[in-house]
Parts: sequence; C-alpha cells; structure tokens
Amino acid sequence: GAGVSQTPSNKVTEKGKYVELRCDPISGHTALYWYRQSLGQGPEFLIYFQGTGAADDSGLPNDRFFAVRPEGSVSTLKIQRTERGDSAVYLCASSEGRWSSYNEQFFGPGTRLTVL
Amino acid sequence: TQLLEQSPQFLSIQEGENLTVYCNSSSVFSSLQWYRQEPGEGPVLLVTVVTGGEVKKLKRLTFQFGDARKDSSLHITAAQPGDTGLYLCAGAKGGSQGNLIFGKGTKLSVKP
Repeated sequence: GAGVSQTPSNKVTEKGKYVELRCDPISGHTALYWYRQSLGQGPEFLIYFQGTGAADDSGLPNDRFFAVRPEGSVSTLKIQRTERGDSAVYLCASSEGRWSSYNEQFFGPGTRLTVL
Repeated sequence: TQLLEQSPQFLSIQEGENLTVYCNSSSVFSSLQWYRQEPGEGPVLLVTVVTGGEVKKLKRLTFQFGDARKDSSLHITAAQPGDTGLYLCAGAKGGSQGNLIFGKGTKLSVKP
C-alpha cells in the first residue's frame, strides 16, 4: 500500500504569509505526528494526534502554528504570519494504534518550506 | 530539556572499514530507536532497543542499548557505499507522550 504522502513537496512563501501543509497518513493508522527538521538538525517534535484529537501539542513553538485532523485521517499543519526562522523541512509520520514506545513511526518525504 | 547527543557528527571512511556511532544522554529512555535518512526523504526505522544492555544485529549493523538506558551505539562492520546516509538516534520517554526526541544525526559517507 501507499506510504505517508505530503503535499506540497516544496513551498516558497514570503514573510508574513499564511501556509498550509498537508499530510496523508498510511490508511488505517490512527496516530499521526508532525516534526520539523532544520538544516543540520534531527527532527524536532511538534504535535501528535490520536484519532481526531491532539494528544500532545507540547512541541508547537508558538500560537502561529496550528494543526488539525478533523476526520482522523488527513492532517493539515497551518502556519500564520510566517517568519524566516520557520524555514525547514516539515515531516509527517503515522503509526498504528495508540502511542507506544514500540510503535514504528512511518515518515513521509516532508515538505520543504522556505520563507523569503 | 532532554538532549540526545550523537557523535561523530560527520564520518567519511573507505569501503570495508568498520565504524561506531554513539548516542548519549543524561536522561533515561523507555526505548531508543535508530533511523537512517536519505536526502529528500523521511527517516526510516532500522531498529528499536528496549531493554538495558540489549544488543540487536541487522546484517552488518549491531545496535546496543546502554545498561542504564541512557545511551546507545551503532556499529557497522565492513562498511559499503550503500551505507552512506544520515543516521539518527531517537529516544522515547514512554507514557502517553507521543514525541520522539532525536539527536542531530551522524552523516556517514562511505567511499568506494
């Protein structure tokens, strides 16, 4: 079956603009995660959904960042008033069932966001 | 802040050499995972270690979890050009937290 897909693959925007990044998880996976990976760094956790609800949003850097998963499948990460420091690769991952240390997270290819 | 420190950050070796990558923290993790990431792609899970002192082997790759569950190592025997990539360790704290804490990664280049 298909893996995790993310669209767009690349997004260039201007400072102050609003952007939406989309993630399609593996079918049937109830857990969905967003990470941000800056150049030369490992992925940094942003938010975790279990079904439709955000179970852990402790990684969102500020209130300009928001994510939704209204039907428990596709998720959208929304960034308002983008800043140059938001430039990074945004990774989405999904896993079966409820979060567990043993659950494998399957990552998408990421969306590279560039804020000019 | 929980940190996972990986070393070395960069490693360039010749085909056939052995290498070890280290992942260290002052925090205890319920499990530790190793990922490999290629340019333009997301990380792909290689292994999960759970028990202190655990050793897992995946072909030429050997993974070890420290006895105190604060550190881990990845050893590659007879490296091949196909092993080239970014190796990331990630710790899980367990409980209801859904986040993995990643190290910065080790960028490995194996030259033929």
